Amino acid sequence: DVKVTQSSRYLVKRTGEKVFLECVQDMDHENMFWYRQDPGLGLRLIYFSYDVKMKEKGDIPEGYSVSREKKERFSLILESASTNQTSMYLCASISYRGRGMPKNEQFFGPGTRLTVL
Amino acid sequence: KNQVEQSPQSLIILEGKNCTLQCNYTVSPFSNLRWYKQDTGRGPVSLTIMTFSENTKSNGRYTATLDADTKQSSLHITASQLSDSASYICVVIGYSTLTFGKGTMLLVSP
Repeated sequence: DVKVTQSSRYLVKRTGEKVFLECVQDMDHENMFWYRQDPGLGLRLIYFSYDVKMKEKGDIPEGYSVSREKKERFSLILESASTNQTSMYLCASISYRGRGMPKNEQFFGPGTRLTVL
Repeated sequence: KNQVEQSPQSLIILEGKNCTLQCNYTVSPFSNLRWYKQDTGRGPVSLTIMTFSENTKSNGRYTATLDADTKQSSLHITASQLSDSASYICVVIGYSTLTFGKGTMLLVSP
């Protein structure tokens, strides 16, 4: 039973291209996240969204933007891809109940391995 | 600043042996702690979820412990198998915060 899906497993783009990474979750979660994962650096938060049309910068938002037009979909956009954005990109979602207590397990998508040439 | 430190950074063990991975954190307030397994090229998959009132939780050959006083957690793998080769990530969740460790890379050798 698929919970979080990402549009592509592997993606190769050229420097300067505009890149869209799509993430869809079917659990009605309010909160969605985009991370990138690099060797030795672990998972780093790029952007997150706690509601439709709401977005917050994470730790490394530079060079990225996001879009959350529908609750189930959270898109990561690279306006002009650069070689240092070559990475594994992971989407995740979670739902919280009162006082910030997580209601559901955070689910990760399968990841998108992006290579920028 | 919220931090999660994992050790060792990498580990090689023989098939059939046991091992223990460590996770120390300084996240406050604390909600729950999770261990994830991530196979190469795949997204992380949850192994265990523990709240502050739980000391130990098992999932098959995986057993996680939590000491909320010392802010330490461990993941014990029993009778390791080749398929256990993966990265193991500790995640500590506060109130609307998520803090990740950098993971321990485990290689199980035949």
